[in-house]
Amino acid sequence: EAQVTQNPRYLITVTGKKLTVTCSQNMNHEYMSWYRQDPGLGLRQIYYSMNVEVTDKGDVPEGYKVSRKEKRNFPLILESPSPNQTSLYFCASSLGGGATQYFGPGTRLTVL
Amino acid sequence: TQLLEQSPQFLSIQEGENLTVYCNSSSVFSSLQWYRQEPGEGPVLLVTVVTGGEVKKLKRLTFQFGDARKDSSLHITAAQPGDTGLYLCAGGGGYSGNTPLVFGKGTRLSVIA
Repeated sequence: EAQVTQNPRYLITVTGKKLTVTCSQNMNHEYMSWYRQDPGLGLRQIYYSMNVEVTDKGDVPEGYKVSRKEKRNFPLILESPSPNQTSLYFCASSLGGGATQYFGPGTRLTVL
Repeated sequence: TQLLEQSPQFLSIQEGENLTVYCNSSSVFSSLQWYRQEPGEGPVLLVTVVTGGEVKKLKRLTFQFGDARKDSSLHITAAQPGDTGLYLCAGGGGYSGNTPLVFGKGTRLSVIA
């Protein structure tokens, strides 16, 4: 089954404790993205990757890091999480930036 | 910066009613996608429209792309509780391009039985 998986689905952590949210896709897509979704602000792109070892900033990259060492995986790293990073996070993959986005199920992160 | 404005932001209607959701921009898009997001899940594509004036139907849902490719609408006929969810429009710079999609903030629809 074609899918995007994210882990964990739910995470409660404390300020400053480094965390990683994993994302994996099995559709051989070159393009992958991370979004955060907040009430009243909609979906905002954090980072995207057009291919292995190629990443670029989206609209709200501050406080986040990503890496793309393999085509299928695109982890999101929060080196020192802060409460304003409490949000619902989605990973997505696609054939291109403007193509259909296939979203993962989301990761709800709470930073205390 | 390209922006997509969706209206209304919230909509609560009775089962059987009709409704229209709008997605407007001052920018021209090569394509316009509509997604539906249900609670606890990621958005799922409903349809993509690429030609100005294009109309696509998906059962009781009718999607239209404006002639100038700056706006789109989603019309639902005889809404059902299963239509409840967040509807998102997203503007694209082209199928093969790598320009990221621009998302609207969404219309949250609640259909009451």
